[in-house]
Amino acid sequence: AQSVTQLDSQVPVFEEAPVELRCNYSSSVSVYLFWYVQYPNQGLQLLLKYLSGSTLVKGINGFEAEFNKSQTSFHLRKPSVHISDTAEYFCAVRAYLGGGSNYKLTFGKGTLLTVNP
Amino acid sequence: ETGVTQTPRHLVMGMTNKKSLKCEQHLGHNAMYWYKQSAKKPLELMFVYSLEERVENNSVPSRFSPECPNSSHLFLHLHTLQPEDSALYLCASSRQGSSYNSPLHFGNGTRLTVT
Repeated sequence: AQSVTQLDSQVPVFEEAPVELRCNYSSSVSVYLFWYVQYPNQGLQLLLKYLSGSTLVKGINGFEAEFNKSQTSFHLRKPSVHISDTAEYFCAVRAYLGGGSNYKLTFGKGTLLTVNP
Repeated sequence: ETGVTQTPRHLVMGMTNKKSLKCEQHLGHNAMYWYKQSAKKPLELMFVYSLEERVENNSVPSRFSPECPNSSHLFLHLHTLQPEDSALYLCASSRQGSSYNSPLHFGNGTRLTVT
C-alpha cells in the first residue's frame, strides 16, 4: 500500500515570495505523482504530474515540482506567489499495481497556502 | 466549467430523509468516482465504477448507495444519514485503460449537511 505525507498543514507567505510545499510518499512499487489545487468552493484541479522522464515537471500557474526517488519526495515550488494562489494543495500518488487496482489514487491531507499582501 | 458537473451544489437533509447526488461528465471518460472530503482528513475514496461496473467499495456504510446507469452519469443515493456524514462529496472521472496515469477530473462537489 502507498501513503502520502504533506508535512505542513498551513503555509502563510507574503505576495511575491517563493514557496515550497512539501510532499513525501511511501510505496514499494513504482509510482505516478500528482499535485492538485482546490480553490474555495470548488473541486480539485490538476496542477502537474510526474509519470516518467525528467524529474523536474512544470505545471500550470507557474508551479513546478521535482521528483526525488532517493528521498521519496515530490515537493511543489513557485518562485513568486500571487494572492490568487491562495488555495489548498494536495499531493497524490498512484502506485503501479497489477490487477484491477491500478486506478487507486492516494491523497495527502492537504496544505493550505495563504498568500498575504 | 470543469467537464464534470455535480448537482446540487448544496444540500441540507434530516437524518430520516432520502436524497440523491448527481454527477455528469462530458469528457468521454470511462471511469467515475465518489470521494468524501471532510475537514482535516485526507480525501476518502468511496466508490469506483469502471466501464459502468463497480470495482471498488471502500467499506462504505450501506446508507450510501451508488448507481452508474452509463459511463456519463453517476449517482449517490443517500438515506438515514448521520450528522458525521456531513462533508463535501466530490465526483471525479478519468480514462481507464492500459495506461493508468490518466489524471482525475473533479466536479465542484456537493456540500452536504445532515441535521
